Amino acid sequence: GQQLNQSPQSMFIQEGEDVSMNCTSSSIFNTWLWYKQDPGEGPVLLIALYKAGELTSNGRLTAQFGITRKDSFLNISASIPSDVGIYFCAGQTNYGGSQGNLIFGKGTKLSVKP
Amino acid sequence: DAGVIQSPRHEVTEMGQEVTLRCKPISGHDYLFWYRQTMMRGLELLIYFNNNVPIDDSGMPEDRFSAKMPNASFSTLKIQPSEPRDSAVYFCASSWVVYEQYFGPGTRLTVT
Repeated sequence: GQQLNQSPQSMFIQEGEDVSMNCTSSSIFNTWLWYKQDPGEGPVLLIALYKAGELTSNGRLTAQFGITRKDSFLNISASIPSDVGIYFCAGQTNYGGSQGNLIFGKGTKLSVKP
Repeated sequence: DAGVIQSPRHEVTEMGQEVTLRCKPISGHDYLFWYRQTMMRGLELLIYFNNNVPIDDSGMPEDRFSAKMPNASFSTLKIQPSEPRDSAVYFCASSWVVYEQYFGPGTRLTVT
């Protein structure tokens, strides 16, 4: 089945730093989404991307739908302590599965540098 | 506006017992999803409904799992009988646009 490879698995940030993470697949996806999950809570939708090449911002967050439709990137500018959490990418493909069947990456855990 | 509501937030039960998880979606959302999250497998879609009708249940692990949506404001996920390997966090999500899913806070299930 389709898999999403999300990297890095974890990273440490210092307040003020920019952060980048990405998601890749061997399959073509029609839709990419980025979620953030805080401990003990459900994932919260950050950004949805529907078109190859699309670049969308939500405050300090910017995400891009790769031209090949096989990848997506999320950037966080000027990170703040409340950015810590787990970030998930999710994709939807018409290849197998149904329209609502999102495939989720394993997540990127963002922590504060000790 | 109230988000997706799930109950209970935590459930501890013994192997073999029946477990029922409940979900109230966001009002006006036509889609409702049930997910399971574990460290090993991450987030997995179990089943989803559109206008109260099950559309895709290919993720339901086995016959011990069943889900219903009797009306637009309520859904249940039932496990009978429960097993220790069912221990996980179960999320309900709802959406207006099928891809933009809004998750509830989850139910942490522990089967001993």
